[in-house]
Amino acid sequence: GAVVSQHPSWVICKSGTSVKIECRSLDFQATTMFWYRQFPKQSLMLMATSNEGSKATYEQGVEKDKFLINHASLTLSTLTVTSAHPEDSSFYICSARDLGRGGGNTIYFGEGSWLTVV
Amino acid sequence: QKEVEQDPGPLSVPEGAIVSLNCTYSNSAFQYFMWYRQYSRKGPELLMYTYSSGNKEDGRFTAQVDKSSKYISLFIRDSQPSDSATYLCAMLSGDSSYKLIFGSGTRLLVRP
Repeated sequence: GAVVSQHPSWVICKSGTSVKIECRSLDFQATTMFWYRQFPKQSLMLMATSNEGSKATYEQGVEKDKFLINHASLTLSTLTVTSAHPEDSSFYICSARDLGRGGGNTIYFGEGSWLTVV
Repeated sequence: QKEVEQDPGPLSVPEGAIVSLNCTYSNSAFQYFMWYRQYSRKGPELLMYTYSSGNKEDGRFTAQVDKSSKYISLFIRDSQPSDSATYLCAMLSGDSSYKLIFGSGTRLLVRP
């Protein structure tokens, strides 16, 4: 299957600092990428939809100024958690829509990034 | 009522058993149906993708979709301990949002 790479896999940062997570589609172009957050033993919660070359669309209740999303190319989207606090500690996962498979309805996920704010 | 219902389990089976995982949904607009496998502390891995009603087989995995009953299934034959994971069903309506609607996930444990 297609490969979506996330980096870093895990990161620890101090409270008040910002951290950036990258999501790359390695073997396909992705005009649309998605960012999720997952708490232990729960399903994925969609945070925002990232469209290449345009502003991200955030889900209700997600602070757009706190979770900055940039989708500057067809293979890269980034999520920046600004002024991180311990409550932002979570598992963040990206996914990417593969235009070339399943009529553009095939979506692959990255490995996820564990964020711990201390 | 959630759009997609999935029994959270856990489902515990002996090695070699046939596993049946199911989801029901309420939105008749869903057209694309997927099963993902998620190991602990990892991102979901796409297992099966099905468009509309019918069956699809890939190795030990078979996905079934019955749109008339709004019911989808994933069967795992000859289950292995390495199949132990959480299985998530997911659906797309085919609109321009491409937002996946997930079930809550079923935890599967295959005992050696």
